[in-house]
Amino acid sequence: DIQMTQSPSSLSASVGDRVTITCRASQSISSYLNWYQQKAGKAPKLLIYAASSLQSGVPSRFSGSGSETDFTLTISSLQPEDFATYYCQQSDTTPLTFGGGTKVDVK
Amino acid sequence: QVQLQESGPGLVKPSETLSLTCSVSGDSINTYYWSWIRQSAGKGLEWIGRIYTSGTTNYNPSLKSRVSMSVDMSKNQFSLRLTSMTAADTAVYYCARDQGGQLNYWGQGTLVTVSS
Repeated sequence: DIQMTQSPSSLSASVGDRVTITCRASQSISSYLNWYQQKAGKAPKLLIYAASSLQSGVPSRFSGSGSETDFTLTISSLQPEDFATYYCQQSDTTPLTFGGGTKVDVK
Repeated sequence: QVQLQESGPGLVKPSETLSLTCSVSGDSINTYYWSWIRQSAGKGLEWIGRIYTSGTTNYNPSLKSRVSMSVDMSKNQFSLRLTSMTAADTAVYYCARDQGGQLNYWGQGTLVTVSS
């Protein structure tokens, strides 16, 4: 299985901050990397697919970059509704695998 | 608008079989793959497997011996069976539309507790 490692596991930030989350794959996955946002008690929501493509309806303050083994999710200016947990997930091969999550909370 | 809804028992006894159904509206099940994912406090998000309408399946090797999936196109539903349930299978179970591995629509999730 491809292992996905996210860092940090949690971070504290303020509204307006630029937030960066990283995800590393245990082997090359080209650009088959997706990012999800999950709020408490809710299902994950797809934000970014194919490493850098913004899912329809997702605000442009979210962006993704990277390829092969190293990827980044950036929130350019954190908004109150962005406090949540973020997961990366590889879709290069089955089984699909997820990172352990990054919880973004209020500083 | 695509919507998915899981249904099934919230409580299962150890050693019994879990059966869950996902009802899809706003889209025909006759396209894409359809996945099951679970989330427990101890293991985070775990992909269980997926099914295509042709009947083609991909299962997580960690669960393969206990998992089966099926699709009912007449009802626009797909289903999960997980045998020999233990406490380690206690989790929130989600169904999702799987577009090339991108899980772009999810059900709200259903909590399944394994307890006698």
